[in-house]
Amino acid sequence: NAGVTQTPKFQVLKTGQSMTLQCAQDMNHEYMSWYRQDPGMGLRLIHYSVGAGITDQGEVPNGYNVSRSTTEDFPLRLLSAAPSQTSVYFCASSRFTGFSLTEAFFGQGTRLTVV
Amino acid sequence: ELKVEQNPLFLSMQEGKNYTIYCNYSTTSDRLYWYRQDPGKSLESLFVLLSNGAVKQEGRLMASLDTKARLSTLHITAAVHDLSATYFCAVVESGGGADGLTFGKGTHLIIQP
Repeated sequence: NAGVTQTPKFQVLKTGQSMTLQCAQDMNHEYMSWYRQDPGMGLRLIHYSVGAGITDQGEVPNGYNVSRSTTEDFPLRLLSAAPSQTSVYFCASSRFTGFSLTEAFFGQGTRLTVV
Repeated sequence: ELKVEQNPLFLSMQEGKNYTIYCNYSTTSDRLYWYRQDPGKSLESLFVLLSNGAVKQEGRLMASLDTKARLSTLHITAAVHDLSATYFCAVVESGGGADGLTFGKGTHLIIQP
């Protein structure tokens, strides 16, 4: 039972480079989201999706792009990496009832360093 | 805007002692979650609290929810070293499920022998 799978686990980028963080879930969850975790800040929502073809911005969306072409996959794209994007990124999925979310299941995280 | 505050943010305690972590939130909520995170690891779900007065227990941890006070507590009984971790509460705003979970900043718990 894979749950939520993120790749890569570690990545070093140079300023200005672009890359895609991959996220896949096998639980048929409607809702998928990306968070970033910074020391002392908890987790902050970057982007989310309530289903295939539907995405929206969270609290800290600038510099990131997402798409949701299938229920299973929700990649996060960094358009032009900046040192401020150095962080740990978590993908999560939940069941969405239309009004509320069930508990979120998290991937293993991607530790990204931008130099 | 939903705000979630945890306190304390850092806690060092001795084995065998009891302590409580508090989670306050600013608007009405459908549900509240507690997660545990070990260093360098992902988040592991501990408790799901769905209604006022809900109480859940797992081993030495007990979580409760008071929706009227907008407060959840995570109580640790007779702490052991293995419970050292960072604990997060996360809240879903009533009717605002699409907005995702709003997390507190986490309580970094160290339990010393």
